[in-house]
Amino acid sequence: QVQLVESGGDVVQPGRSLRLSCAGSGFTFSAFAMHWVRQAPGKGLEWVAVLSGDGSNTYYTDSVKGRFTISRDNSKNTVYLQLTSLRPEDTAVYYCARGSSETQYAHPSAYWGQGTLVTVSS
Amino acid sequence: QSVLTQPPSASGTPGQRVTISCSGSSSNIGSNNVYWYQQLPGTAPKLLIYEINQRPSGVPDRFSGSKSGTSASLAISGLRSEDEADYHCATWDDSLSGPWVFGGGTKLTVL
Repeated sequence: QVQLVESGGDVVQPGRSLRLSCAGSGFTFSAFAMHWVRQAPGKGLEWVAVLSGDGSNTYYTDSVKGRFTISRDNSKNTVYLQLTSLRPEDTAVYYCARGSSETQYAHPSAYWGQGTLVTVSS
Repeated sequence: QSVLTQPPSASGTPGQRVTISCSGSSSNIGSNNVYWYQQLPGTAPKLLIYEINQRPSGVPDRFSGSKSGTSASLAISGLRSEDEADYHCATWDDSLSGPWVFGGGTKLTVL
């Protein structure tokens, strides 16, 4: 069965960096785009980034452009989110979600990980 | 401030029909498909409706979606206690450089 497992969340100081990972299994990883979506405590969902299945196309929400980088290693069935210059407002549970198809235009599908918590605080 | 506007809360009694709205603009809902996600307390979101009114396998037909102009709606009929959750709408926005957008979410309470 399809499974997504995030890791890497931590408590970090403002301005520091962190790398999140999301390992996929139960499907042909390279055939699907991958999304990161975050949820601040008590708030709604905020879409963060998407990367196409072959790793060639990306989109980011404006608030993270230039600070966050999405990447993937299809040989390891893993997608990453590198977070730099972290701010308190980046505090959230970060979910990875499989896209509905290979392209960056694919919507976040039925498959989501359990989330990993990033807390940015001094 | 979310690009898509949802009421923060909704409620109903068991067996009732409730609707949750999602209001956008011509660059998002007005020209693209709408998706709905259900998030039970303490869990990850689950895709409930895709492409405006399609249900993934396993989603009961009590859940239905619709769109009119720049607004979309999720309807839940025969309300059950297990439907108590947060519901989020989402769509693609043609005018933004970060194209996927979510609504602020609606907390549904079953009284």
